[in-house]
Amino acid sequence: ETGVTQTPRHLVMGMTNKKSLKCEQHLGHNAMYWYKQSAKKPLELMFVYSLEERVENNSVPSRFSPECPNSSHLFLHLHTLQPEDSALYLCASRWGTGSNEQFFGPGTRLTVL
Amino acid sequence: QKEVEQDPGPLSVPEGAIVSLNCTYSNSAFQYFMWYRQYSRKGPELLMYTYSSGNKEDGRFTAQVDKSSKYISLFIRDSQPSDSATYLCAMSASTGANNLFFGTGTRLTVIP
Repeated sequence: ETGVTQTPRHLVMGMTNKKSLKCEQHLGHNAMYWYKQSAKKPLELMFVYSLEERVENNSVPSRFSPECPNSSHLFLHLHTLQPEDSALYLCASRWGTGSNEQFFGPGTRLTVL
Repeated sequence: QKEVEQDPGPLSVPEGAIVSLNCTYSNSAFQYFMWYRQYSRKGPELLMYTYSSGNKEDGRFTAQVDKSSKYISLFIRDSQPSDSATYLCAMSASTGANNLFFGTGTRLTVIP
């Protein structure tokens, strides 16, 4: 995909590890999102950045720490995760305020041992 | 009560069948309705976007919204094996909203 890319695509980590997920959007959008997708659950919105400022933090545990250095890049720093954090983490981006359409990346499949 | 309810399936149909996928919702403020398609090992991609009640057609796909019943549907005509994917409904109360409310997704398999 050239629209929204995510790395790594797969990640296995222990509970004491520190790792980071990376998202990059090539669409010129100005809002970026992190979602968690677990089996048989709706997508859970974790963080929203608009114009590089965090505008939403939906009661996400502090072991997840987002970073948005510019409008094209978004990171999710992971520290001392729990097995229940295993899921598909999706990044999305959107342009402006006139549309609800969010463009998703392929996701990072995270497994916490 | 969940904001959006969607039957997770799985749903298996023969090639050429008409598929009906549905979501119900509880918030009468929702006005913008979306259907996303998610192939295995991919992120969701927007398939259909509708505002308020009514129908919208795009090729083999028709999105239908009935706000009085708080019910939305996606119909796929002449289904193809390439339609095999998980279909997610999503909705919001305003345009440009950061918070989209998603269903759990329905997994569809079209058998050749």
